[in-house]
Amino acid sequence: NAGVTQTPKFRVLKTGQSMTLLCAQDMNHEYMYWYRQDPGMGLRLIHYSVGEGTTAKGEVPDGYNVSRLKKQNFLLGLESAAPSQTSVYFCASRPEGGAYNEQFFGPGTRLTVL
Amino acid sequence: SQKIEQNSEALNIQEGKTATLTCNYTNYSPAYLQWYRQDPGRGPVFLLLIRENEKEKRKERLKVTFDTTLKQSLFHITASQPADSATYLCANADSGYALNFGKGTSLLVTP
Repeated sequence: NAGVTQTPKFRVLKTGQSMTLLCAQDMNHEYMYWYRQDPGMGLRLIHYSVGEGTTAKGEVPDGYNVSRLKKQNFLLGLESAAPSQTSVYFCASRPEGGAYNEQFFGPGTRLTVL
Repeated sequence: SQKIEQNSEALNIQEGKTATLTCNYTNYSPAYLQWYRQDPGRGPVFLLLIRENEKEKRKERLKVTFDTTLKQSLFHITASQPADSATYLCANADSGYALNFGKGTSLLVTP
C-alpha cells in the first residue's frame, strides 16, 4: 500500500495564479483532511471530508476550495494564490469509526507564492 | 474551542537519558490525546493515544501519562537515542472529526 500520496511535492506560483493539489489514499478511508503548516503556527485545518461527495470548512478555509468526487481522492484548489498561502500543505486520512482513530499523513507539498 | 499548548522551546538531552515533553490543554478535559512524531520534510506519524480514563500508556520506550487535574499529558522517551530527534506533536479531536494540534516540541538527542 502506498498510503497517502500528495502531488506535487514542490510548487512555485506567482500571485494570482491558480493550482490544484491532489491527495490520494489507497486505504479505503472515509475521512480526509487538508492542513497547512507554518513556522510557529503548527498544523491548522483548512477543509475536511467525511465521505465521498462531502466537504466541510476547517479553521482556515478562506482562499481555498476542495472537492471529493471519488472516495480515494481529495483535491485542494487555490483559485488566486496569495503570498500568505506560502506554506507546507499536508493531507491526511483516517478510517470511519471512533474519533480517536489515528490519522495517516502524506509527505506534504511545499508551496511558495511569489 | 480547546487549546493545546506545547513547550515551544527545543529540548536538548544527552543520549541514554529520559526525554519528557509536556502537553497542556486549556478548557474541558479531552476524551483522549494523541501523540505524533514529525521528522523534517515529512508528514506526522502517529505514535500513541491515551484516553481520559487511562493514567498511563506504554509502547516500547515510549510512555504517555494523562493528568486531568493538572490538565496535562506527559510524553516520555526512555533511553533516548539520536534517532529519536524529531518534533513531537500533541493533538485532540475538537469537533469529533478533525484533530486540533499543538505547535509541537523539538527534541534533539546528542551522543
